[in-house]
Amino acid sequence: DQQVKQNSPSLSVQEGRISILNCDYTNSMFDYFLWYKKYPAEGPTFLISISSIKDKNEDGRFTVFLNKSAKHLSLHIVPSQPGDSAVYFCAAKGNYGGSQGNLIFGKGTKLSVKP
Amino acid sequence: KAGVTQTPRYLIKTRGQQVTLSCSPISGHRSVSWYQQTPGQGLQFLFEYFSETQRNKGNFPGRFSGRQFSNSRSEMNVSTLELGDSALYLCASSLAGGPVFDTQYFGPGTRLTVL
Repeated sequence: DQQVKQNSPSLSVQEGRISILNCDYTNSMFDYFLWYKKYPAEGPTFLISISSIKDKNEDGRFTVFLNKSAKHLSLHIVPSQPGDSAVYFCAAKGNYGGSQGNLIFGKGTKLSVKP
Repeated sequence: KAGVTQTPRYLIKTRGQQVTLSCSPISGHRSVSWYQQTPGQGLQFLFEYFSETQRNKGNFPGRFSGRQFSNSRSEMNVSTLELGDSALYLCASSLAGGPVFDTQYFGPGTRLTVL
C-alpha cells in the first residue's frame, strides 16, 4: 500500500506562472516531509523540507504547505522557470525514533516548464 | 565540500552473478542509506548504516546486503542477480543520524543492468 502518493504523473506550466505539485500521505506517524528534484541520470537533489509542527516553509521561489488534517502537502514554485523542468519527488519520514534512513517516496511528478 | 560519490556509475552483469557498489558520503556525514529506483516501484529504501551498524532495513530479500566502514564509506552487495534487480541504486548521506532529522543528500547513483 502506497503511503505517499503523487497522483499527477506529469504537469505542464508556462514560464513565469506558478507550478503546484501535490502529495498525499496516509501515515499519521510521518513527522517530516521533503521535496527532491531529479534530472535524468542524476541523483535526487534536496529542495525544501517541512516539519509536521509547521504548516508552511519558504525558500526563495519554493514554498511547501502542509495540511495535516487532510494529510496533504504541496510544493509551489513561483515564478516557474524552464530550468525547473524535472521530476519532483515528495518524501516522508516516520517518527520511529532515532533512525534517519527510512524515507518513503512518492512516485514523482514530471514538471515541464515551457518558455 | 564534495558531494556523495558512487562508483561505478554504470554496471552490466548477467543473471546469477553478484555485484558490489560503493558509496562515499559527504565528509563528516556518518549515516548512509541506500535506495533502489525502478520505473514500476519508484524509490524504495534498502537499508541504512550508522557507525558501521545497520540500523534500519527495508523490505528486500537477503540477497541485498551492505556494510559500512570506519570512515563512513559504504558498500552494498547483491548476490545471485535477477533480471528484476536492474535499477538505479542511490546512496544518500546525512550528518549525524540522531533523533532530530538531518536532510539526506543523494549521490548520482549506479545504473545496474542485469542481462
